[in-house]
Amino acid sequence: GESVGLHLPTLSVQEGDNSIINCAYSNSASDYFIWYKQESGKGPQFIIDIRSNMDKRQGQRVTVLLNKTVKHLSLQIAATQPGDSAVYFCAETLGFQKLVFGTGTRLLVSP
Amino acid sequence: DAGVTQSPTHLIKTRGQQVTLRCSPISGHKSVSWYQQVLGQGPQFIFQYYEKEERGRGNFPDRFSARQFPNYSSELNVNALLLGDSALYLCASPPASGVTDTQYFGPGTRLTVL
Repeated sequence: GESVGLHLPTLSVQEGDNSIINCAYSNSASDYFIWYKQESGKGPQFIIDIRSNMDKRQGQRVTVLLNKTVKHLSLQIAATQPGDSAVYFCAETLGFQKLVFGTGTRLLVSP
Repeated sequence: DAGVTQSPTHLIKTRGQQVTLRCSPISGHKSVSWYQQVLGQGPQFIFQYYEKEERGRGNFPDRFSARQFPNYSSELNVNALLLGDSALYLCASPPASGVTDTQYFGPGTRLTVL
């Protein structure tokens, strides 16, 4: 299928490693943040979200950290698997659900 | 439960033509949003509709228009197509209106303008 992003920042890891993907957001008033995974030729897939009144939220193999002081989000993926290879986007929103997406990071997981 | 569905999957048009893309939100839910994703970039917000009313519009020209039907499905129309309109057009809806801000996306329509 087509590549989602040809010139995105790329993170290359080995299978089993932990991955950390970073994102800077733009609006200090944003109150809700989401991480999406996008595979080639597909729509973004929800991974995990966090509200601005939280610093950390954990899911299955994933953790999101929010640092409002520096407007920074990170996504941590534990025990990264080849199926995690994709482009990852952070998104921020305020109010009525318009999402503003970050640049995206391509994660490459080698066996 | 069906997720967000979109049609067609792929579309090829020529400059100056008009196109209509279709979206059905998560069953029973009243809000849809449209996004444009140009290759290599994150999705950009175009429109949001809730209960058949426009609730938000992104920075897109008037060539872009949309509407929502009584069954909450939606159409995105683009007139006078330009080469730069080539993109993946995504439709999104929340899983439960008013419960969460999370947007769930459909598979997209890949529009190619020649």
